Amino acid sequence: AQKVTQAQTEISVVEKEDVTLDCVYETRDTTYYLFWYKQPPSGELVFLIRRNSFDEQNEISGRYSWNFQKSTSSFNFTITASQVVDSAVYFCALSEEKTNDYKLSFGAGTTVTVRA
Amino acid sequence: EADIYQTPRYLVIGTGKKITLECSQTMGHDKMYWYQQDPGMELHLIHYSYGVNSTEKGDLSSESTVSRIRTEHFPLTLESARPSHTSQYLCASSERQGRSNIQYFGAGTRLSVL
Repeated sequence: AQKVTQAQTEISVVEKEDVTLDCVYETRDTTYYLFWYKQPPSGELVFLIRRNSFDEQNEISGRYSWNFQKSTSSFNFTITASQVVDSAVYFCALSEEKTNDYKLSFGAGTTVTVRA
Repeated sequence: EADIYQTPRYLVIGTGKKITLECSQTMGHDKMYWYQQDPGMELHLIHYSYGVNSTEKGDLSSESTVSRIRTEHFPLTLESARPSHTSQYLCASSERQGRSNIQYFGAGTRLSVL
C-alpha cells in the first residue's frame, strides 16, 4: 500500500499566485517524520523541511509554509507568491521509526510549473 | 549544504558493459543509500548501508551491487548493463542516530543503456 500519497500530479500557476501541494500519509508508528524535498530540473533532491510526529506546529520559512495535521494525516506545503525558480518536482516523504527503521518512503511527486 | 558527490553525471553506454557509479560524501555520515528514479516518477530505494562492511538490499529489486569499504564511499556496480537499467540513480547519506535522519542527496547519475 502506498504510504505517501500526493494526489496532484501536476500544477501550473502564473507567477505570484499561491500554490498548495497536498500530501497524505499512512503509518501505524507513533514516532515518525515527514519531509518535503524539491527536485529542480538539474536533478538533485534538495531538503526543505522535516517535521516529527509530536510537533504539529505549522512552520513558515520565507515564502514556504507547511501545515501538519495528524487528525487528517496530512502534511501540506504552500508556496506563497510563486516565482519561476519554484518550478520543480516536489516530493513528500515519510520516515517511520519502527516499521521502516527511519528509511524514507516517497510519494510520487507533484510537478509545479510557474509561468512568467 | 550537502557535501555528497556523484560521478559521472551522465553516462551513455552499450548493452553488456560493466559500469560503476561513484558516490562519495565528506560529512562523515554512517548511513548511505542508493535510489533509482525513472523520469517523472517517485524514488525507489535499491540499496543501503549503515556503515563500513554493511550493505542491504532495498525495497526495489535491482541487479546492481554495492560495496562499503570506506565510510565516505558507496559505489554501485552493474556487471552487465541492459536497456532496462536506463534510469536516474541518486545517492544519499544521513547520520547514524535515528532521530538525525535527514537524508542529503547527490546530484544523481543519469544512465542510458543502448
